[in-house]
Amino acid sequence: DSGVTQTPKHLITATGQRVTLRCSPRSGDLSVYWYQQSLDQGLQFLIQYYNGEERAKGNILERFSAQQFPDLHSELNLSSLELGDSALYFCASRGGLASTDTQYFGPGTRLTVL
Amino acid sequence: AQKITQTQPGMFVQEKEAVTLDCTYDTSDPSYGLFWYKQPSSGEMIFLIYQGSYDQQNATEGRYSLNFQKARKSANLVISASQLGDSAMYFCAMREGLSNFNKFYFGSGTKLNVKP
Repeated sequence: DSGVTQTPKHLITATGQRVTLRCSPRSGDLSVYWYQQSLDQGLQFLIQYYNGEERAKGNILERFSAQQFPDLHSELNLSSLELGDSALYFCASRGGLASTDTQYFGPGTRLTVL
Repeated sequence: AQKITQTQPGMFVQEKEAVTLDCTYDTSDPSYGLFWYKQPSSGEMIFLIYQGSYDQQNATEGRYSLNFQKARKSANLVISASQLGDSAMYFCAMREGLSNFNKFYFGSGTKLNVKP
């Protein structure tokens, strides 16, 4: 158990809908990263937050947005969903400022868009 | 250019033998970190091992070791004495720079199958 929690575990919805994925980082970790893993693909970095502020942005679509709250949990909002948004969405948290600090991943949310 | 390249989509290894999973990286930043993650069929991502660009010795964690060849920009994962439970996808990743705000780049992964 990495200490990172994600809810829900599975989500099935229809095209055009909006969903919110939630992530709670490990206790004390200030950084949260979001990734998308589509079928047969590696991880695509979406966005990073550090202590409530956006710090790095990857291949995140304009239909997607995220935020990190004062209690450090984060939410990823996906709107106007398309079939191609079906994927496993991971949240990862990272603790300190040392270069050796790795990311610890949550169990993921599997999103299916029908 | 790809930041992380894993050229082996799939690998087979006999149980109890050693296996090397290849990873090459591309960066001009002198400070970077290299990571390996394991993703079993259940889907979770498990951190295995880390190598810093300034580390003089290859990293080791139990049966995992990282063969770090800086001049060749390669960071191959060596798994010794393979076990059936090692069957999984393995991802190589890199973080450029020392800042806490840098994003991670992941390779496309290698699917390892351990045969009994």
